[in-house]
Amino acid sequence: GDSVTQMEGPVTLSEEAFLTINCTYTATGYPSLFWYVQYPGEGLQLLLKATKADDKGSNKGFEATYRKETTSFHLEKGSVQVSDSAVYFCALNSYSGGGADGLTFGKGTHLIIQP
Amino acid sequence: NAGVTQTPKFRVLKTGQSMTLLCAQDMNHEYMYWYRQDPGMGLRLIHYSVGEGTTAKGEVPDGYNVSRLKKQNFLLGLESAAPSQTSVYFCASSQVITSGVDEQYFGPGTRLTVT
Repeated sequence: GDSVTQMEGPVTLSEEAFLTINCTYTATGYPSLFWYVQYPGEGLQLLLKATKADDKGSNKGFEATYRKETTSFHLEKGSVQVSDSAVYFCALNSYSGGGADGLTFGKGTHLIIQP
Repeated sequence: NAGVTQTPKFRVLKTGQSMTLLCAQDMNHEYMYWYRQDPGMGLRLIHYSVGEGTTAKGEVPDGYNVSRLKKQNFLLGLESAAPSQTSVYFCASSQVITSGVDEQYFGPGTRLTVT
């Protein structure tokens, strides 16, 4: 079955540091890939997505590139802010069977940015 | 446009009690989902629906039932609550697009404790 593996946290960085959160996946076919962010006490919000190989998703200074050859979708940001502190989830949807049978999530990475 | 709403936000149940969680969306989405979020486990799909009057099992369906009598509502029922069902429950919805299914929009969550 489909699976997503992402680096475990918490990840603690200083403000303005460079961020990378690794994500690799196993899926049949050609999945769409997503990064969701969850702020404390809130639901998940889509951060960015990519639907085919070599696509780059970007939003709010975050970027991730769909790498089919390495089955990866690593999240990066050049200069993090305290407001980026949250839990980040990598996810995929391979739309198996032609239906919408939900997203497969990684376990989440808790990011803490210190001023 | 409220997006995806969930009621209640918090609930405490005793073992063996029953309850229904309500999810509503005002975006005219076809697909709706129920997930549970547990520490260190990411989000896991309980049940989903691809349209009014249809439901299907996800990864962890045991102990839960669902109904989709109206397109905008998706109900999650616990007939006899168990401590193992203590979790945060998220509802999500998505729409069909020409290339498959679009991103999922999440509600704010329901925190359920079973004692």
